[in-house]
Amino acid sequence: EDQVTQSPEALRLQEGESSSLNCSYTVSGLRGLFWYRQDPGKGPEFLFTLYSAGEEKEKERLKATLTKKESFLHITAPKPEDSATYLCAVQAGNAGNMLTFGGGTRLMVKP
Amino acid sequence: DVKVTQSSRYLVKRTGEKVFLECVQDMDHENMFWYRQDPGLGLRLIYFSYDVKMKEKGDIPEGYSVSREKKERFSLILESASTNQTSMYLCASKQGGKPQHFGDGTRLSIL
Repeated sequence: EDQVTQSPEALRLQEGESSSLNCSYTVSGLRGLFWYRQDPGKGPEFLFTLYSAGEEKEKERLKATLTKKESFLHITAPKPEDSATYLCAVQAGNAGNMLTFGGGTRLMVKP
Repeated sequence: DVKVTQSSRYLVKRTGEKVFLECVQDMDHENMFWYRQDPGLGLRLIYFSYDVKMKEKGDIPEGYSVSREKKERFSLILESASTNQTSMYLCASKQGGKPQHFGDGTRLSIL
């Protein structure tokens, strides 16, 4: 069974304090790993797709990396507007278009 | 930009009622999905559809059905609503190998 575990569940940072969110996964043949951002009362917003170990993607203050067992979302010098829940999901080789989601990390950045 | 529209942001219904949640996408996507999101449980897939009139069960289909009569519209039906179906319901769509795009959700309360 495919599994995705995100840690920590919640993270409080001061503005400018860099950190990383973790997404550990167990999957039969990874086809893709996805990062989403979700603001309160909204649907998840797509950030990145990673396909193979060693791949990295960047967008503004966010950088996502992938190994064979986990992915990290690095946040450099965060701002209060980066506060959100960050979701990780995997697509397995035998799962068609279905995704398995982790429980999310709630990030709070204080000014 | 992909637009996924869910007909209601908030909905309150009574136990035993038949409830319809509607989702429309404007990008001619083949694949559409219904999830529910609960604190501590993350996003769980209820049903998905890969073409008109085609559907597949997800992880938690019990108590739900779906309808896809037109490509752009995917409906989730609660046959006889129960209090344990109080949740945030999210619709998503995708095309081919691209990521899923989500609507803003319907917060459903069953009294």
